[in-house]
Amino acid sequence: GAGVSQSPSNKVTEKGKDVELRCDPISGHTALYWYRQRLGQGLEFLIYFQGNSAPDKSGLPSDRFSAERTGESVSTLTIQRTQQEDSAVYLCASSFWGLGDNEQFFGPGTRLTVL
Amino acid sequence: ELKVEQNPLFLSMQEGKNYTIYCNYSTTSDRLYWYRQDPGKSLESLFVLLSNGAVKQEGRLMASLDTKARLSTLHITAAVHDLSATYFCAVVVWGAQKLVFGQGTRLTINP
Repeated sequence: GAGVSQSPSNKVTEKGKDVELRCDPISGHTALYWYRQRLGQGLEFLIYFQGNSAPDKSGLPSDRFSAERTGESVSTLTIQRTQQEDSAVYLCASSFWGLGDNEQFFGPGTRLTVL
Repeated sequence: ELKVEQNPLFLSMQEGKNYTIYCNYSTTSDRLYWYRQDPGKSLESLFVLLSNGAVKQEGRLMASLDTKARLSTLHITAAVHDLSATYFCAVVVWGAQKLVFGQGTRLTINP
């Protein structure tokens, strides 16, 4: 079946502009996660959504970052007034929250470059 | 705060050799994952380890988990060039679902 998809695959923007990144999770997956990966580094957790529960926003680095999820489907990550340090690959993952290992499946990522 | 450390961070080895990547974590967790990432690509799941003493094998890779020592290992047997990639371990935060990742081990296997 279809995996996690993200769009755009690449985004180049100017400092100070707002950007929106989109994630389509695997159908039926109840949990959705956003991570950030700076060049040559591991992944940093940003936020996750689980069903109708309040999202865990503990990883968002500043109030310029926000995310929404529509039901158990699409999510958008918004970065306002982008800064050069926001340049990174933003990865989305989804999982089925229930019995089992809750394995997270990752999308291909959006590479964001802030000039 | 959960911290995850991998070592080594860089590993260059010859085909046919064996080696081990180590993943240490600082607080209790009930799940550990190993992922592979090729350059410019996303993460591919390799193993999910759920309990103390868990051992899983796939081809030339074998992963184990010791929850008492808070240590996981990824062992590579008779390495081949196709295994060149960056390998990440990731640990689930106890009581939550978010993953904390290690820094990654960049593995290069030379013919």
